[in-house]
Amino acid sequence: EAQVTQNPRYLITVTGKKLTVTCSQNMNHEYMSWYRQDPGLGLRQIYYSMNVEVTDKGDVPEGYKVSRKEKRNFPLILESPSPNQTSLYFCASSASGVREQYFGPGTRLTVT
Amino acid sequence: AQTVTQSQPEMSVQEAETVTLSCTYDTSENNYYLFWYKQPPSRQMILVIRQEAYKQQNATENRFSVNFQKAAKSFSLKISDSQLGDTAMYFCAFMTDLNNDMRFGAGTRLTVKP
Repeated sequence: EAQVTQNPRYLITVTGKKLTVTCSQNMNHEYMSWYRQDPGLGLRQIYYSMNVEVTDKGDVPEGYKVSRKEKRNFPLILESPSPNQTSLYFCASSASGVREQYFGPGTRLTVT
Repeated sequence: AQTVTQSQPEMSVQEAETVTLSCTYDTSENNYYLFWYKQPPSRQMILVIRQEAYKQQNATENRFSVNFQKAAKSFSLKISDSQLGDTAMYFCAFMTDLNNDMRFGAGTRLTVKP
């Protein structure tokens, strides 16, 4: 089954404790991205990657890191999480030239 | 910069009736793509319908159709014969032909009442 997976689905952590949210897709898509969803703001892009070893900042990159060492994986790293990073996070992927993104199930992160 | 505006934070409709959700966008590009995504309580983002800007014909998918007005930069979603399962948050989204970056509106929460 073609899909984008994220782990964990739920995470509660404390300020300053490094964490990683994994994202993997099995569709051989070139393009992957991370979004955060906050009430009244819709989805805002954090980082995106056009292909392996190619990443770039989106609209709200502060406090986040990403890497793209393999085509299928695109982890999101929070080196020192803060309460304002409490949000719902989505990973998405799409094929190059195809104007449609496939979304993972979301990760609910709470930073206390 | 491209922006997407959904001016209706919440809407409700009676089961079996028709409802229209509004979306406007701002861009200087000529080639682009527009989408409506549905997000039910499960939080999964589900593509409802898409429209290519170069196509004059409005897209339809079963009970879902759009009214695409390119000159007015408007892209509304009409849901006919509303069903309880249509209750969800609906997001309008925009993507240019230059890359795969997608811009979203703030969303409209739709409630279908029995």
